[in-house]
Amino acid sequence: QKEVEQNSGPLSVPEGAIASLNCTYSDRVSQSFFWYRQYSGKSPELIMSIYSNGDKEDGRFTAQLNKASQYVSLLIRDSQPSDSATYLCAPRDSGGYQKVTFGTGTKLQVIP
Amino acid sequence: DAGVTQSPTHLIKTRGQHVTLRCSPISGHKSVSWYQQVLGQGPQFIFQYYEKEERGRGNFPDRFSARQFPNYSSELNVNALLLGDSALYLCASSLAMSAGEDTQYFGPGTRLTVL
Repeated sequence: QKEVEQNSGPLSVPEGAIASLNCTYSDRVSQSFFWYRQYSGKSPELIMSIYSNGDKEDGRFTAQLNKASQYVSLLIRDSQPSDSATYLCAPRDSGGYQKVTFGTGTKLQVIP
Repeated sequence: DAGVTQSPTHLIKTRGQHVTLRCSPISGHKSVSWYQQVLGQGPQFIFQYYEKEERGRGNFPDRFSARQFPNYSSELNVNALLLGDSALYLCASSLAMSAGEDTQYFGPGTRLTVL
């Protein structure tokens, strides 16, 4: 089993729709979870972090965490063409240092 | 405030050569981590340095080494380059070694091509 699993996509949604990105992870002890956005040829950009079970909202983005199910998701409301990118799910390892384990990412395409 | 900076932006080397990549963290950040991102994959953790000491190491061969300087900048060295070392090398900085809601911020990366 991969440590972090994401559907590679592409996930295509029309402009203005809600995009739902999902991620499962294997480290039961992980406490910190990050979503990064990566445009082609660029470095990852942090868009959301979540540490507690439940929902966390920041503008058009909502992260959802369920530690019992080892599941984290990202919802993007009112999707825009500029949201087209690869979204990387990244739990921080429980080993007491900064290592995060990235999934392969989900490629999102927002169709105008 | 300046973000994480990396140099060079692009680099072309041949097999067997050695390469040094450089990173300057965000001002006030004491932790630097290095990641390798091969095309089509997520970044893979190589090292973390905090207060000039190695704090974490990923599953990479001994050809990969790094160090951190008193000003918290860092170098990643790769010896005996292989074709498979071609990748985007990312540096990430954070305030501390690992604490609560501390977060890593990535630099623009160095694109290494090995011919």
